[in-house]
Amino acid sequence: QKEVEQNSGPLSVPEGAIASLNCTYSDRVSQSFFWYRQYSGKSPELIMSIYSNGDKEDGRFTAQLNKASQYVSLLIRDSQPSDSATYLCAGYFGNEKLTFGTGTRLTIIP
Amino acid sequence: DVKVTQSSRYLVKRTGEKVFLECVQDMDHENMFWYRQDPGLGLRLIYFSYDVKMKEKGDIPEGYSVSREKKERFSLILESASTNQTSMYLCASSLLVWSNNYGYTFGSGTRLTVV
Repeated sequence: QKEVEQNSGPLSVPEGAIASLNCTYSDRVSQSFFWYRQYSGKSPELIMSIYSNGDKEDGRFTAQLNKASQYVSLLIRDSQPSDSATYLCAGYFGNEKLTFGTGTRLTIIP
Repeated sequence: DVKVTQSSRYLVKRTGEKVFLECVQDMDHENMFWYRQDPGLGLRLIYFSYDVKMKEKGDIPEGYSVSREKKERFSLILESASTNQTSMYLCASSLLVWSNNYGYTFGSGTRLTVV
């Protein structure tokens, strides 16, 4: 079973601080990972992808991948109230289907 | 620039009705997927399709069927709707993983209520 696990939260972060979201996976045959943001009542929206070990930055978002330790993380700098959402971690493990975590609910406190 | 379109945003159906949920993508993606999402249960895969007329069962196919007659369209069919099929239904599409690794693009979702 190729599982992706996330802390369901809720995670509360003050506005302007760094939000850190973590994800671990149980199968070493990993290809690539994705972070989706989902606002309440809306569909998931892709915000970051990462394929190689290390960091990948896009604006206020940084994705980190460590294949040896089997974890993926998402850092959100200068958190804004509009970042309040559920964040889903997902990965490909040798086939065409993404395996999703159950999501972490993030609340940014003004 | 909507890329994955689901035909209805909200739908209310009666128990026992046959329900069709339609999904169309304009990105020439090979893969298409149907998920349902319920509070506390995350995304659960119902069916997916790698190509026209190809389909494979996901984790919870019971009570559902699918049709993919054209590459851009993937339909989910509830043969006889039941109240436990009340949920948010999400369609997604993707290129083949080996060709272009961009993950899924989701449609806006259909919130189905069965009464």
